[in-house]
Amino acid sequence: EIVLTQSPATLSLSPGERATLSCRAGRSVTRYLNWYQQKPGQAPRLLIYEAFKRATGVPSRFSGRGSGTDFTLIITSLEPEDFALYYCQQRTSWPTFGQGTKLEI
Amino acid sequence: EGQLVQSGGGLIQPGGSLRLSCAAYGFSVTNSFMGWVRQAPEKGLEWVGDLYNNGDTYYIESVKGRFTISRDNSKNTLFLQMSNLRVEDTAVYFCAKETTWHYDVWGQGTAVIVSS
Repeated sequence: EIVLTQSPATLSLSPGERATLSCRAGRSVTRYLNWYQQKPGQAPRLLIYEAFKRATGVPSRFSGRGSGTDFTLIITSLEPEDFALYYCQQRTSWPTFGQGTKLEI
Repeated sequence: EGQLVQSGGGLIQPGGSLRLSCAAYGFSVTNSFMGWVRQAPEKGLEWVGDLYNNGDTYYIESVKGRFTISRDNSKNTLFLQMSNLRVEDTAVYFCAKETTWHYDVWGQGTAVIVSS
């Protein structure tokens, strides 16, 4: 099992600021790292796949980078609707998810 | 891209059985990789298992022998049959379509509560 560690657990920012979320894998996942956003009572929503590819309909303020074991999700100029939970997920082997980062105001 | 609509779930006693359904619209379950992901109360996401288009199934260790993923091609529906349920299986269960190693379409989720 590939363990994914997300940091920070909670990120407190204000609208208009830049958010940087980190995901570290216990061993290389090459580029097979995905990012999801989840709001209370809702299903996860795919944001980024294969480390940096933006999913359909995802605003350009969301971007992903990284490869191997270290990955970053960047949200430039936060909008009020961006405050949510964010999970990374690897798919090099059986899927595992990080424990999540809560982005709060 | 499609849509997944879930049904089933509810309150069940430990040791009981339950079947979750996930109806697909806009794409074929038969031709897709499909999966189930669960989320225990106030916890993160946990992969439960996958059903590939070739019929192969894969499960997380803790549900092997108790959970079965299947599909009905005529109804374009995915199922999760859960038996010998444990308290620790309590969670919201999501079905999802997997496209080249990422889950791009998700069901709305259905709650399963295992309690006496």
